[in-house]
Amino acid sequence: GIQVEQSPPDLILQEGANSTLRCNFSDSVNNLQWFHQNPWGQLINLFYIPSGTKQNGRLSATTVATERYSLLYISSSQTTDSGVYFCAVGDGAGSYQLTFGKGTKLSVIP
Amino acid sequence: ETGVTQTPRHLVMGMTNKKSLKCEQHLGHNAMYWYKQSAKKPLELMFVYSLEERVENNSVPSRFSPECPNSSHLFLHLHTLQPEDSALYLCASSQVLGGSYEQYFGPGTRLTVT
Repeated sequence: GIQVEQSPPDLILQEGANSTLRCNFSDSVNNLQWFHQNPWGQLINLFYIPSGTKQNGRLSATTVATERYSLLYISSSQTTDSGVYFCAVGDGAGSYQLTFGKGTKLSVIP
Repeated sequence: ETGVTQTPRHLVMGMTNKKSLKCEQHLGHNAMYWYKQSAKKPLELMFVYSLEERVENNSVPSRFSPECPNSSHLFLHLHTLQPEDSALYLCASSQVLGGSYEQYFGPGTRLTVT
């Protein structure tokens, strides 16, 4: 099956700093999503981005499908950005399932 | 609020109990999913229903039994669970067959098996 690797596994930032999270995947995809998991376990959709670039406020994402990676940018980080960020991909084969990476745990300190 | 609800939010059950988790989606989607998130492990897919038919069963033990009576509701029936089944169980839905495939998740049920 498709493999997903996220880096870094852990990241500590000072409030106001910028960061880049990376997701590498092993095969062609027709679905790529970034999620933020809050402390209560809820997965919040950030981006649906199988290719191209999108921006939403302080967050933006870029997926280069031909090179099999995606980047999530967080600018001017806030303490509320803390949590785990997951990249998940789907290759569209059969069941439409998402394969998740292990996540990046982000801690933003005041 | 993602349009996917799950009940209960927390559940503690003994190994001999029978319980059910419920998921409901209000997004008009035609596929629903159960995922399991254990401590220190990536989210893993358990079951997929597309157009109310089960299309994926990822080697899940028979003590977990899914049910999808219609495209808006999904259940996970639990019986004779083991302590290692303690985890966060997440339900998701998406549109398939011409949709964007973007999945939306419910808030999860945190299950503890004693």
